[in-house]
Amino acid sequence: DAMVIQNPRYQVTQFGKPVTLSCSQTLNHNVMYWYQQKSSQAPKLLFHYYDKDFNNEADTPDNFQSRRPNTSFCFLDIRSPGLGDAAMYLCATSRERQGPHEQFFGPGTRLTVL
Amino acid sequence: GQQLNQSPQSMFIQEGEDVSMNCTSSSIFNTWLWYKQDPGEGPVLLIALYKAGELTSNGRLTAQFGITRKDSFLNISASIPSDVGIYFCAGPSSGAGSYQLTFGKGTKLSVIP
Repeated sequence: DAMVIQNPRYQVTQFGKPVTLSCSQTLNHNVMYWYQQKSSQAPKLLFHYYDKDFNNEADTPDNFQSRRPNTSFCFLDIRSPGLGDAAMYLCATSRERQGPHEQFFGPGTRLTVL
Repeated sequence: GQQLNQSPQSMFIQEGEDVSMNCTSSSIFNTWLWYKQDPGEGPVLLIALYKAGELTSNGRLTAQFGITRKDSFLNISASIPSDVGIYFCAGPSSGAGSYQLTFGKGTKLSVIP
């Protein structure tokens, strides 16, 4: 089945220790997104890739970076995690950027910062 | 920016009951998406609506795209325990950032067996 896969499902890191979350997709979609979701809130878009074109949201902290080495994979790097970065991180894909607008989400990675 | 007002925020229902929730906006949306999120999981797309007045079903779920394009409804018939979760409505933001989805704050559904 075509899908969006995230690894690991749970990640524990220490305050200030860099961490990388990964996402892969078998849908062959052009667009990949990273969202942050905190408890009882809606997902918040951090950035997205349209093919190799990186697009950062204006309010995404510099502490968050992303890489997309090929169509299938996308990584979220948190350079110096703070306690406030503990959250669920969701990867999503869509076929195109301007529509259709359906986004397909992975199962998420729950990040804990000690 | 655009906002989606989703109601109710939470609801407790008996197993077997029908459920209705809605999403409203002060601005027009051209697409409405309904997602369900189970605890500890990512949102799963339930239904996508593209035309004003459209009524679409997916099993026991039915969603409608309001004629004014400013609202959408999701109904669940004969609820079962696995319907528990948070239901989000979403739609593409207008303007240059139309790739971005605006999400409602979610309706948390609890089903009492």
